[in-house]
Amino acid sequence: GAGVSQSPRYKVTKRGQDVALRCDPISGHVSLYWYRQALGQGPEFLTYFNYEAQQDKSGLPNDRFSAERPEGSISTLTIQRTEQRDSAMYRCASGDGNTIYFGEGSWLTVV
Amino acid sequence: AQRVTQPEKLLSVFKGAPVELKCNYSYSGSPELFWYVQYSRQRLQLLLRHISRESIKGFTADLNKGETSFHLKKPFAQEEDSAMYYCALSSGTSYGKLTFGQGTILTVHP
Repeated sequence: GAGVSQSPRYKVTKRGQDVALRCDPISGHVSLYWYRQALGQGPEFLTYFNYEAQQDKSGLPNDRFSAERPEGSISTLTIQRTEQRDSAMYRCASGDGNTIYFGEGSWLTVV
Repeated sequence: AQRVTQPEKLLSVFKGAPVELKCNYSYSGSPELFWYVQYSRQRLQLLLRHISRESIKGFTADLNKGETSFHLKKPFAQEEDSAMYYCALSSGTSYGKLTFGQGTILTVHP
């Protein structure tokens, strides 16, 4: 297929609003990963799933961040009560058991 | 805690010159090291991994456990090598759970 698809590509939101970022993985990929990348930094691990099970959420910065993958395919990363420090690129990747493949990322700006 | 350091944020070379992008890591176990690349207007993608011991697009990287380094090298840089390069480490808990360095922007001038 076309690879990992993320939407929206760009999102500007006001401080205090909730935001949902969507990731559609490569068909058949069991694993799905979320990363956050601040300007000038490398990607930072947030959480990952195998099928619908969240295996590791150690990178989620606080309880305003959550992720789900209810049917083992599409995943949503939700940020509640957004703050300016949440502004970053959010990257999703899916994996075939050996290699992970990144989407184009979602740029989030909180104003 | 594991850490990846890329000391150079920017690296400029001329076409045909050798290039080396530095990467140092700290990890107490046996890490798996990777280089990822992002070309302009493209997705972040895997360039090479140390266990494969392969050359991709003329690039090689050798894991030096004594110096805890995994530098990326190419003997003759090309303009199309201009990109952002990230060194990354996997601790093995999941193949896709990676610790990335800050990245190095490589510019190859004609």
